[in-house]
Amino acid sequence: EVQLVQSGAEVKKPGESLKISCKVSGYNFTKYWIGWVRQMPGKGLEWMGIIYPDDSDTRYSPSFQGQVTISADKSISTAYLQWKSLKASDTAMYYCARPIATGGIGFDFWGQGTLVTVSS
Amino acid sequence: SYELTQPPSVSVSPGQTARITCSGDALPKQYAYWYQQKPGQAPVLMIYKDSERPSGIPERFSGSSSGTTVTLTISGVQAEDEADYYCQSADRSGTYWVFGGGTKLTVL
Repeated sequence: EVQLVQSGAEVKKPGESLKISCKVSGYNFTKYWIGWVRQMPGKGLEWMGIIYPDDSDTRYSPSFQGQVTISADKSISTAYLQWKSLKASDTAMYYCARPIATGGIGFDFWGQGTLVTVSS
Repeated sequence: SYELTQPPSVSVSPGQTARITCSGDALPKQYAYWYQQKPGQAPVLMIYKDSERPSGIPERFSGSSSGTTVTLTISGVQAEDEADYYCQSADRSGTYWVFGGGTKLTVL
């Protein structure tokens, strides 16, 4: 059974750093892209970027380039989303997701989401 | 950057047909995908590659494509279909993936 299990909710102050995780199981981690999606409170889905764990090929949405870092550790089948200096506007739910096995970019497996709250 | 445009809201009575559109310049070249999201839940993939349905998705959900517009059609809408719906696709190069702004479907 494919599972994506994300790390727990975080409450941080502006300027602090943060790394959240997405641990996968039930499939070969290195052979599928993993994506990150942001959803700000009451707003829509935003595609942040993707990583191919096998070779760490990473692509970022222009909106998020330079704002976050996406990485992966093949040894523990885990993808990460990282901030160096959080802002209040980073407050959101963050999802990791895996594209459908039949090809294409549609995400058919999602993590449960990690709620990040940034407040002074 | 590339954008997909959806109507903010669509309303329909139970049993009727709902159509949600998504427009983007690269849609003639790139497949579209559709998601349903209910409050407090992660999105669920409803349609992939314009018109394919993942296993477990009811047949009343269908997708179609025409030029720069793709459409999610829900036939015989039920109360449980009330949710936010998002389209997803990629830019012409396929490098950057993007979501539409979302459409709130209200079942009257």
